[in-house]
Amino acid sequence: QKEVEQDPGPLSVPEGAIVSLNCTYSNSAFQYFMWYRQYSRKGPELLMYTYSSGNKEDGRFTAQVDKSSKYISLFIRDSQPSDSATYLCATNSGGGADGLTFGKGTHLIIQP
Amino acid sequence: NAGVTQTPKFRVLKTGQSMTLLCAQDMNHEYMYWYRQDPGMGLRLIHYSVGEGTTAKGEVPDGYNVSRLKKQNFLLGLESAAPSQTSVYFCASSYPLMWEQYFGPGTRLTVT
Repeated sequence: QKEVEQDPGPLSVPEGAIVSLNCTYSNSAFQYFMWYRQYSRKGPELLMYTYSSGNKEDGRFTAQVDKSSKYISLFIRDSQPSDSATYLCATNSGGGADGLTFGKGTHLIIQP
Repeated sequence: NAGVTQTPKFRVLKTGQSMTLLCAQDMNHEYMYWYRQDPGMGLRLIHYSVGEGTTAKGEVPDGYNVSRLKKQNFLLGLESAAPSQTSVYFCASSYPLMWEQYFGPGTRLTVT
């Protein structure tokens, strides 16, 4: 079983909708939780991160972690066509030396 | 400030040929990583380095070798390419003990 599970989609929603992207993980040692955004034929770029449980908000984006259920979420409000991309959740147990564990990524399409 | 750059952008190899992928970063990062990204598999760590002259194996190291002779460069070598190594290769770098990784634009490799 892969340590981070993520539905690959595609997920298609109309412009202006609220988008919910989710991941589950199995290793309780994971402490840092990140969302990367990857546009087509580009490298991933960090969008948001959280440490341990709780919420973090940045503009239209909210990241949420529930360690009790090992569930990671990213919410996008007022979605825009420019949000169309693949969203990758990632975790590590701290330290960063051994790289990140990524989900497979969810392909999101925002329809104008 | 170019960030993380990768050379070449595209390459086609025949089975059994060898090649070296070059990654360079100008952010003075200690840690550097090589990932491969395959459809349905997500990003997987091949090798990583926590400093000049040091390397370590990641999740999928077989068939690859790496070297970190200079702090700013991280080389990934394929000694005898196989079709299973057809993939998009991403290099990333980060500060020590930090979870935020900066990715390069990727190298698309096809092995026929």
